[in-house]
Amino acid sequence: NAGVTQTPKFQVLKTGQSMTLQCAQDMNHEYMSWYRQDPGMGLRLIHYSVGAGITDQGEVPNGYNVSRSTTEDFPLRLLSAAPSQTSVYFCASSRSGRVTYEQYFGPGTRLTVT
Amino acid sequence: AQSVTQLDSQVPVFEEAPVELRCNYSSSVSVYLFWYVQYPNQGLQLLLKYLSGSTLVKGINGFEAEFNKSQTSFHLRKPSVHISDTAEYFCAVSETSSNTGKLIFGQGTTLQVKP
Repeated sequence: NAGVTQTPKFQVLKTGQSMTLQCAQDMNHEYMSWYRQDPGMGLRLIHYSVGAGITDQGEVPNGYNVSRSTTEDFPLRLLSAAPSQTSVYFCASSRSGRVTYEQYFGPGTRLTVT
Repeated sequence: AQSVTQLDSQVPVFEEAPVELRCNYSSSVSVYLFWYVQYPNQGLQLLLKYLSGSTLVKGINGFEAEFNKSQTSFHLRKPSVHISDTAEYFCAVSETSSNTGKLIFGQGTTLQVKP
């Protein structure tokens, strides 16, 4: 099993550009989520999904869109990048949204917006 | 709402010495507690979790943590650290009733193990 994979590893964008961060898991997990990690702030939840076709907002959803058409994939879209979105982004998956189940994290995407 | 405070941003320690990473939380409802580790340039990995039962929880790599409800703390300890323990450590909480998978993370503590 590859676990949770994320692409790209690094990305530099100019303000106003759009891009999609890819996340895939091969564990048949129902639950997937996106976090951003900023220095001194820990990780904050952006969006999450409890199954294909079902998504919801987390703590910091503004400026980001998600969709979940398959169990395996959960892409994160930035429609118009802003410098405030410079961060490290982590995707995670779990058997379900119940936090008693372990969440598995991908290796992250480091995004810089200039 | 919940919040998590990790009291030290950086903890330097010599190899084979004991270490304690401190975590305090605030919540008006019952919570589960977690410690995650992030090695350089990697994602987060679960070290241990407290769901219920014994307040002393043992995790991977020789780490353990103690849940103290009266002090709202969940400090992480290891009796003898190795160079390979150098990493960033995150404390996290979640409501026991949650089905959104939402974890509230602390700011992180960087453990620097020196030879």
